[in-house]
Amino acid sequence: GNSVTQMEGPVTLSEEAFLTINCTYTATGYPSLFWYVQYPGEGLQLLLKATKADDKGSNKGFEATYRKETTSFHLEKGSVQVSDSAVYFCALSDLRTDKLIFGTGTRLQVFP
Amino acid sequence: GAVVSQHPSWVICKSGTSVKIECRSLDFQATTMFWYRQFPKKSLMLMATSNEGSKATYEQGVEKDKFLINHASLTLSTLTVTSAHPEDSSFYICSARESRGDFYEQYFGPGTRLTVT
Repeated sequence: GNSVTQMEGPVTLSEEAFLTINCTYTATGYPSLFWYVQYPGEGLQLLLKATKADDKGSNKGFEATYRKETTSFHLEKGSVQVSDSAVYFCALSDLRTDKLIFGTGTRLQVFP
Repeated sequence: GAVVSQHPSWVICKSGTSVKIECRSLDFQATTMFWYRQFPKKSLMLMATSNEGSKATYEQGVEKDKFLINHASLTLSTLTVTSAHPEDSSFYICSARESRGDFYEQYFGPGTRLTVT
């Protein structure tokens, strides 16, 4: 079945460091891919998405490229801020059911 | 973006009692809402899909008689945890899907933390 695997955290970085959070997926066909962010005490917010191969989603300095050949959708940011501290979830949308399937989440902690 | 609210944000109840959680789409209509459960340091687990005016579709392993879902209007879905037990303690999150032609997106509520004593 469809599944999403993302790197375990926590990821601890200093402010202005480069961020990569790995995400790979297993799916039939070509699902849409998403990154959601959950700030402390809040619900999930859509950070970015890509709907087809080679698409790049971007928002708030974060980017992720839909790589069909490696079945990956790694999240990157060139310079993180303390305010980026949150839990990041990679997800895919099941083509048949439209349901979202989430990875386990990666906690990012950014220190000044 | 669209806003989804949940009420209450947290609740403590005694074992054996029932608890109702509301999920509302505030500025759009949602024919489909989803209910998730999130365990500590774990991902979101889809419990059921709630469709306005019809019965909810439950995921495998989720007891429909324990987790009652009602989607009586296009802006409101409720999840009732019946005869709650301590193992039902969890973070429950809803989402509402906004559909406009070919466009659709899920918007998530802030979650409800349930503690059963």
